[in-house]
Amino acid sequence: QVHLVESGGGVVQPGGSLRLSCTASGFTFGSYGIHWVRQAPGKGLEWVAFIRDDGGSQYYADSVKGRFTISRDNSENTLYLQMNSLRVEDTAVYYCAKVYGGNSGCNDHWGQGTLVTVSS
Amino acid sequence: AIQMTQSPSSLSASTGDRVTITCRASQGISSYLAWYEQKPGKAPKLLIYAASTLQSGVPSRFSGSGSGTDFTLTISCLQSEDFATYYCQQYYSYPQTFGQGTKLEIK
Repeated sequence: QVHLVESGGGVVQPGGSLRLSCTASGFTFGSYGIHWVRQAPGKGLEWVAFIRDDGGSQYYADSVKGRFTISRDNSENTLYLQMNSLRVEDTAVYYCAKVYGGNSGCNDHWGQGTLVTVSS
Repeated sequence: AIQMTQSPSSLSASTGDRVTITCRASQGISSYLAWYEQKPGKAPKLLIYAASTLQSGVPSRFSGSGSGTDFTLTISCLQSEDFATYYCQQYYSYPQTFGQGTKLEIK
């Protein structure tokens, strides 16, 4: 059974940093691309970043480019999101989501999310 | 970036009703469209991918259609558990984008 568990969320001041983790089980982690998607309180879904199965390529939303870095450790079945220069508008629940078909496709499994609050 | 526009933003309906939600892409995306259901405090759940393919385990009262720029999600006979928010998503190109959501409420 596919399982994704996010961790690392919390409260941070504007300009601060945070690293989120997503630990996976129940599938061959190194064979699938993974996305980060976020949802601000009471708002819709916003795609944040993607990393290929082998970590060789990454894509970012313009809103986080240059501030966030997605990475993965396939030996540990873990995905990361390093978030620097955080802004109030980065406040959201952050979900990791597995790609349905390898490196391309929609998201067939999602974690439960971790809340990041950026506030002074 | 490709913009996804859903309509309506909210919808009131009764159990047993048939409802349709539409999603329009700002440019052609072939059939690279998914639909998700989200309940309060929960992660999104994949319902339909490739515009019309039902995800395993999803009830057959859900169906999707369309290609290019215009897509629909239909729920043929609403059940109580279907009252939720629904999102479309294009995965044709990066940045992937979602519609703004349609909140389906009990009339």
